[in-house]
Amino acid sequence: DAGVIQSPRHEVTEMGQEVTLRCKPISGHNSLFWYRQTMMRGLELLIYFNNNVPIDDSGMPEDRFSAKMPNASFSTLKIQPSEPRDSAVYFCASSLSDPGADTQYFGPGTRLTVL
Amino acid sequence: KNEVEQSPQNLTAQEGEFITINCSYSVGISALHWLQQHPGGGIVSLFMLSSGKKKHGRLIATINIQEKHSSLHITASHPRDSAVYICAYKRASGGGADGLTFGKGTHLIIQP
Repeated sequence: DAGVIQSPRHEVTEMGQEVTLRCKPISGHNSLFWYRQTMMRGLELLIYFNNNVPIDDSGMPEDRFSAKMPNASFSTLKIQPSEPRDSAVYFCASSLSDPGADTQYFGPGTRLTVL
Repeated sequence: KNEVEQSPQNLTAQEGEFITINCSYSVGISALHWLQQHPGGGIVSLFMLSSGKKKHGRLIATINIQEKHSSLHITASHPRDSAVYICAYKRASGGGADGLTFGKGTHLIIQP
């Protein structure tokens, strides 16, 4: 099993540019989560999907952030326009949604730097 | 105020020592997770528990639902255990999948 795949692993961009982060969950998992990690705030949930439907996006910072899951094997997190305060590591995780069997498996993360 | 409090924030110990990391939370939960983040940044799920105790190798996790408290223990600690250990909970929403709320983590260093 390849695990959760994220791309790119590193992204450096300039303020104002659009950034798209990508995630492929583990095959068969029906829940997908986007998290952000910063030194100041630690790990935070941004949004999660169940069966490709967004369930809770209350953690999305503002309208500059959007996430989609067009099918069970792919999700994107887009930031437009990007700002220096968006610099962080963005993790994608997936799990089964069965209670008691919903261990989350994390991808390697995308380290985003906005200059 | 963070809903998940971990202690200690930093811990340095000698190889072989018994390690305890504590986690307290303030809301009703359906499950508590212990995660390990290596210096390279990767995150691995160690345990998910909703009651009692779980053991995997040298790692033991316990939870007391009534006291809203969980502990992670490492026996015979080794330098390769050096990592950040993060406690996280899933809300008692009654549903299946749900996002996690995280503690700030405990930075553990085991010296040879």
